Amino acid sequence: DTAVSQTPKYLVTQMGNDKSIKCEQNLGHDTMYWYKQDSKKFLKIMFSYNNKELIINETVPNRFSPKSPDKAHLNLHINSLELGDSAVYFCASSQDRLDTQYFGPGTRLTVL
Amino acid sequence: SQQGEEDPQALSIQEGENATMNCSYKTSINNLQWYRQNSGRGLVHLILIRSNEREKHSGRLRVTLDTSKKSSSLLITASRAADTASYFCEGDKLIFGTGTRLQVFP
Repeated sequence: DTAVSQTPKYLVTQMGNDKSIKCEQNLGHDTMYWYKQDSKKFLKIMFSYNNKELIINETVPNRFSPKSPDKAHLNLHINSLELGDSAVYFCASSQDRLDTQYFGPGTRLTVL
Repeated sequence: SQQGEEDPQALSIQEGENATMNCSYKTSINNLQWYRQNSGRGLVHLILIRSNEREKHSGRLRVTLDTSKKSSSLLITASRAADTASYFCEGDKLIFGTGTRLQVFP
């Protein structure tokens, strides 16, 4: 009964490839997020969606494109992967913008 | 500095001791939340304190909030080895910083 799930858990790929990370929440929340955590553990917001609408889009290269097919899913597609994209990516959800967030287990992306 | 900046960056203590970590933020907030992250895992919510509250307790956790100083502290009393984790604060702005890495030695 995982609340926020992400797939895959690990992703190792070559530079230049395109990859996707999927996120699903079964909490009935209206808001979902993508975060990037670098090797120094700095956790940075990338995107936020509310009811399938993009509400936050931080300074992120346009190679990153979020897609929300419905309010329970928020997928992250990354084009032309670069070495600097290596990080752990976390999905999270909350009932609304200021509420407690529930995080997924993370996807560790390694770009070779 | 970032909203939700934690201090110290790292803290090592013995089991049974208290651990105090601090958080500073730059702009006004409605709520401030503390989260915990075990190694290799996602963040888990610990406690939320509202801007009109000064102190809140939850089990061995005590959180204070000083809106005049734009700071908060998290106190873990009678620490256990299982408290070893990174602790993050977040004040409405979705900025978590790098966290405080707490190591509790048995």
